[in-house]
Amino acid sequence: AQKITQTQPGMFVQEKEAVTLDCTYDTSDPSYGLFWYKQPSSGEMIFLIYQGSYDQQNATEGRYSLNFQKARKSANLVISASQLGDSAMYFCAMREATAGNNRKLIWGLGTSLAVNP
Amino acid sequence: DAGVTQSPTHLIKTRGQQVTLRCSPKSGHDTVSWYQQALGQGPQFIFQYYEEEERQRGNFPDRFSGHQFPNYSSELNVNALLLGDSALYLCASSLFGTSGSALGQYFGPGTRLTVT
Repeated sequence: AQKITQTQPGMFVQEKEAVTLDCTYDTSDPSYGLFWYKQPSSGEMIFLIYQGSYDQQNATEGRYSLNFQKARKSANLVISASQLGDSAMYFCAMREATAGNNRKLIWGLGTSLAVNP
Repeated sequence: DAGVTQSPTHLIKTRGQQVTLRCSPKSGHDTVSWYQQALGQGPQFIFQYYEEEERQRGNFPDRFSGHQFPNYSSELNVNALLLGDSALYLCASSLFGTSGSALGQYFGPGTRLTVT
């Protein structure tokens, strides 16, 4: 069965420094998609970055990059130059690898990131 | 361009009561998914609606039911509320057929349900 594991319940980082949030996944399907979402205290899930299993290069979106190591089944999120507004919960999710459209997302437990001034 | 909207924002109910949560998808989207997020947990998939039919369902009891209207908006109904139903309920909208791309699901702000 597909599974997402985030082993860091909480992380601290100094403002302007980089931070890596870990995510490992388990699936036997060769086709899947990996997502990172940010959830501030307001509750809304904000899409950050996506990596497809067949993508040759690591995804990047502004200050966010995804360190995709397919053989290790890891998809770590790297946030460069942390800002105070980055303080939030971060979730790694995988699009379920089943046939059909609009497959559901499977989520990890999340990592709480605190950015210190 | 309006994003996903949900109502109400907060709700307090008593055990045994019934509740209805509402979601309007992002403009141009036709598929709505509902997730339950308990405190300190990641979201859990409840079900998904497309063309006014339930297309997928997660591991939730029949007390959880839904509906999609012709304008693509959706309702989540929970009957016989339990204390364990207290959670943030997230609605996500997407465009059917985009699952193979980075076009993912757009989430609303959620409805925080408290059952006492």
